[in-house]
Amino acid sequence: DGGITQSPKYLFRKEGQNVTLSCEQNLNHDAMYWYRQDPGQGLRLIYYSQIVNDFQKGDIAEGYSVSREKKESFPLTVTSAQKNPTAFYLCASSVPLRSNQPQHFGDGTRLSIL
Amino acid sequence: QQPVQSPQAVILREGEDAVINCSSSKALYSVHWYRQKHGEAPVFLMILLKGGEQKGHEKISASFNEKKQQSSLYLTASQLSYSGTYFCGTEILIQGAQKLVFGQGTRLTINP
Repeated sequence: DGGITQSPKYLFRKEGQNVTLSCEQNLNHDAMYWYRQDPGQGLRLIYYSQIVNDFQKGDIAEGYSVSREKKESFPLTVTSAQKNPTAFYLCASSVPLRSNQPQHFGDGTRLSIL
Repeated sequence: QQPVQSPQAVILREGEDAVINCSSSKALYSVHWYRQKHGEAPVFLMILLKGGEQKGHEKISASFNEKKQQSSLYLTASQLSYSGTYFCGTEILIQGAQKLVFGQGTRLTINP
């Protein structure tokens, strides 16, 4: 079955440490997205990529970095510059937005500070 | 940019109806509705396009008024399985690119 796989499900970060969240999709989607969700909050866009080797900052990109070397993969690195990284991180993918198709979400990674 | 959802939370008894509203200050190309159970991924419900279109999904339907830049989600004869947080995502144009911006969510609790 096609879908989006995020790993790990739970992740703990030490002070000053960079951590990378994995996102892989086999839906053949061109566009991929990273969202951050805080308790009781909506989804805030961190980064998005509409095509391989290209990505744009979302609304809260500071302290995060991404790469898009393959169509299937869009890893997110939470750097030590992100002072409040504790949140639920969701990866999504879609065909181009104007095609009136939904975004498909992975099951998320819950990141906490040790 | 973020659409405003109302109410923020609602509690119903099984079988009652609910309406969730989503308003934007920006011109909308489409509105997406998702439902999220606690700790899980959001699940797609439906997309509303320009033209005041109304769509349905089981006993859940929605409308889109592009002139008012609003969408409403209607849940009729609610079931226990409808519990969760509902998000609207509004497709808007920002700096020449289409983006989907999500509201803060409406928490729906259905009691027996």
